[in-house]
Amino acid sequence: AQSVTQLDSQVPVFEEAPVELRCNYSSSVSVYLFWYVQYPNQGLQLLLKYLSGSTLVKGINGFEAEFNKSQTSFHLRKPSVHISDTAEYFCAVSHSGGSNYKLTFGKGTLLTVNP
Amino acid sequence: NAGVTQTPKFRVLKTGQSMTLLCAQDMNHEYMYWYRQDPGMGLRLIHYSVGEGTTAKGEVPDGYNVSRLKKQNFLLGLESAAPSQTSVYFCASSLPGVYEQYFGPGTRLTVT
Repeated sequence: AQSVTQLDSQVPVFEEAPVELRCNYSSSVSVYLFWYVQYPNQGLQLLLKYLSGSTLVKGINGFEAEFNKSQTSFHLRKPSVHISDTAEYFCAVSHSGGSNYKLTFGKGTLLTVNP
Repeated sequence: NAGVTQTPKFRVLKTGQSMTLLCAQDMNHEYMYWYRQDPGMGLRLIHYSVGEGTTAKGEVPDGYNVSRLKKQNFLLGLESAAPSQTSVYFCASSLPGVYEQYFGPGTRLTVT
């Protein structure tokens, strides 16, 4: 079984500041890793994913994440945030090679960008 | 392409009533999923389906039933609603071999 821990439930930042949202996972098998974003009153959309290859993954809206196998982490970063980045962010993991492609989600981090 | 749609968007039920939530996707996806989202809990998988006519239990299946009679539709049923089932329900779909799930806009259900 796998699990995901998002270390911060809320992260307030000022506009144009850098931000890091932290995610750690636990799994006994190889995994794929994802970050999803949920804007207020909307469904989730994929921000970025790590399946294989380069451990630095770039996503939409200027976000990037780095897969660190030794630390079992997949932290999300953005060098300069905008008001429009205010949303809830979810880290998720899936068993690579699994047959049902189920995702296990973390509890979410609410990013609030203040002017 | 509408993507993943969910019906209804909002619903209020009394304890003991039943209802069915409909999820439809027009992307010819094989896999479909039902999640519930509660504050501070993230998304938890209720049931999923890997193809027409097949369903399987997820992490929190108790009190729910599902059916996948057509590939494009995945129904979630509550036979006897309880206040603990007050939540936002999301449907998602994906293709085999592709780990990205596409989500619907959600259904906000309140059970009083």
